[in-house]
Amino acid sequence: GNSVTQMEGPVTLSEEAFLTINCTYTATGYPSLFWYVQYPGEGLQLLLKATKADDKGSNKGFEATYRKETTSFHLEKGSVQVSDSAVYFCALREGANSKLTFGKGITLSVRP
Amino acid sequence: NAGVTQTPKFRVLKTGQSMTLLCAQDMNHEYMYWYRQDPGMGLRLIHYSVGEGTTAKGEVPDGYNVSRLKKQNFLLGLESAAPSQTSVYFCASSRTATGTGAGEQFFGPGTRLTVL
Repeated sequence: GNSVTQMEGPVTLSEEAFLTINCTYTATGYPSLFWYVQYPGEGLQLLLKATKADDKGSNKGFEATYRKETTSFHLEKGSVQVSDSAVYFCALREGANSKLTFGKGITLSVRP
Repeated sequence: NAGVTQTPKFRVLKTGQSMTLLCAQDMNHEYMYWYRQDPGMGLRLIHYSVGEGTTAKGEVPDGYNVSRLKKQNFLLGLESAAPSQTSVYFCASSRTATGTGAGEQFFGPGTRLTVL
């Protein structure tokens, strides 16, 4: 079956530091890949997505590239802000199925 | 647009009590989902619906029932609550399963349920 593996957390960074959050996946076909973000006390919201190999999703300074050869979709940001403190979830969707498979999520805390 | 709303926001139950969580969306979405979020477990799909009058089991359906009598509403029921059902419950909806926008789910703010 499909699965998503995220690096263990939590992650604590200082403001303006570089961020990488690793995500790898297992799927039988060619999934679409997503990063969702959950700010404190809120539901999840879509951060970015990529639908095919070598696509790069980007939003709010975050980027992730769909790497089929390494089955990865790592999230990066060049300079994090305190307001980026949240829980980040990697997810995949395969084929015409509407369901998403989520990773366990990782908590990011950014210190001023 | 209110998006996805959930009622109630918080609830405390005693073991064996029943309750219904209400999810409503005003985006005319076909698909709706119920998840539970537990520490270290991520989000797990309980039940989902691909249209009015339809429901299907997700990853962890035991102990829960759902109904989708109206397109905009998706109800999650606990007939006999257990402490293992203490969790944060999220409802989500999505417009389509294919094409542009596929995979984007819109989430409600969550319901925090404690079962004593």
